[in-house]
Amino acid sequence: ILNVEQSPQSLHVQEGDSTNFTCSFPSSNFYALHWYRWETAKSPEALFVMTLNGDEKKKGRISATLNTKEGYSYLYIKGSQPEDSATYLCAFKTASKLTFGTGTRLQVML
Amino acid sequence: KAGVTQTPRYLIKTRGQQVTLSCSPISGHRSVSWYQQTPGQGLQFLFEYFSETQRNKGNFPGRFSGRQFSNSRSEMNVSTLELGDSALYLCASSPGTSGVGGTDTQYFGPGTRLTVL
Repeated sequence: ILNVEQSPQSLHVQEGDSTNFTCSFPSSNFYALHWYRWETAKSPEALFVMTLNGDEKKKGRISATLNTKEGYSYLYIKGSQPEDSATYLCAFKTASKLTFGTGTRLQVML
Repeated sequence: KAGVTQTPRYLIKTRGQQVTLSCSPISGHRSVSWYQQTPGQGLQFLFEYFSETQRNKGNFPGRFSGRQFSNSRSEMNVSTLELGDSALYLCASSPGTSGVGGTDTQYFGPGTRLTVL
């Protein structure tokens, strides 16, 4: 059983705060690491697909880094806005399987 | 481009019945993956179909099966329903060039909420 852990489980921040979450995954058999944002009553939306150690990706105020040797990825949100409120999921890909973490639930308060 | 569509959106069944869910991928996508979302277990991978063949499979019992048609539309079937099968079932499509997920971006449908009574 592959263990993909995300921390923290939930997070409340004020509008304008910057925040980050962690995804930990096995360091062997790595193929890719996916990040998704899942807003309530909507479908999960792909944020990033990361494949190389040291990868850094950016999309607006959201960025992610990847360390495949130690088995972790960070997701950063700069200047959080209420519309960033969602559950952020990472998913670890081996050759044959995609295993999701349980997510970090972010609530951005006005 | 139209997004991924799933039908029906909501379904109520009783224990022992069977159910078929449908997923239409984005035009041109050849891979369709299915996932089960439950409060306790999070999002779990069921299986992936590519070019009408099951390419990858998660750890679910044989009661869960699927198929894919030549137009890439996919169906998932659950036989002999159990209470624990109550969940949100999501499908996702991708071009499919690199296996489930892989380096392809996956696009999720809105899901089918199945309730088993």
